[in-house]
Amino acid sequence: AQTVTQSQPEMSVQEAETVTLSCTYDTSESNYYLFWYKQPPSRQMILVIRQEAYKQQNATENRFSVNFQKAAKSFSLKISDSQLGDTAMYFCAFMIGGAGGTSYGKLTFGQGTILTVHP
Amino acid sequence: GAVVSQHPSWVICKSGTSVKIECRSLDFQATTMFWYRQFPKKSLMLMATSNEGSKATYEQGVEKDKFLINHASLTLSTLTVTSAHPEDSSFYICSTSVSTDTQYFGPGTRLTVL
Repeated sequence: AQTVTQSQPEMSVQEAETVTLSCTYDTSESNYYLFWYKQPPSRQMILVIRQEAYKQQNATENRFSVNFQKAAKSFSLKISDSQLGDTAMYFCAFMIGGAGGTSYGKLTFGQGTILTVHP
Repeated sequence: GAVVSQHPSWVICKSGTSVKIECRSLDFQATTMFWYRQFPKKSLMLMATSNEGSKATYEQGVEKDKFLINHASLTLSTLTVTSAHPEDSSFYICSTSVSTDTQYFGPGTRLTVL
């Protein structure tokens, strides 16, 4: 079974500054995907960034980037130039890769980190 | 990204009644949909996997007879909470699997059972 751990229940950052959210995971699978989802106060889940485990290059999406350390099973999210609209709960998630099987398409979520951006 | 809708967005019902929540994929065909439950400031808990034309697969600990899932078409899955009680009050979210590695989520349904 896979587990995802987010050890920071809450974080805060000043507008325009940089913040890093931590995530570690445990799995025996070799083919998998990792995600960061954002859930703002509207509670709509929004995909922030995804990473394929077989890719060594860290994924980036504008102000969002990850530090993927496969050997350490670590997958942190860095938010640069934080904006007020980044205030949300952030979830790290894991998915086994490949089609078929009982775990097909299933996401395992971490506990979440509530991020507050202050003006 | 893919668009997923849920209806209703908020429902209040009396204890003992049943409530149906719809999840629709608006711009693609979804052979697989997932249903989650979320308590305030907590993580999403997967309840079941809904496959078009077949029975849903429930996660351990989820009561199949209380949470009825039907996936009759490639664009619609429904979750019916039967004989609802106050402890069933929660936020229910559906998602669809567009490909093997990406899910898109509906906006969620807030259920309050009085």
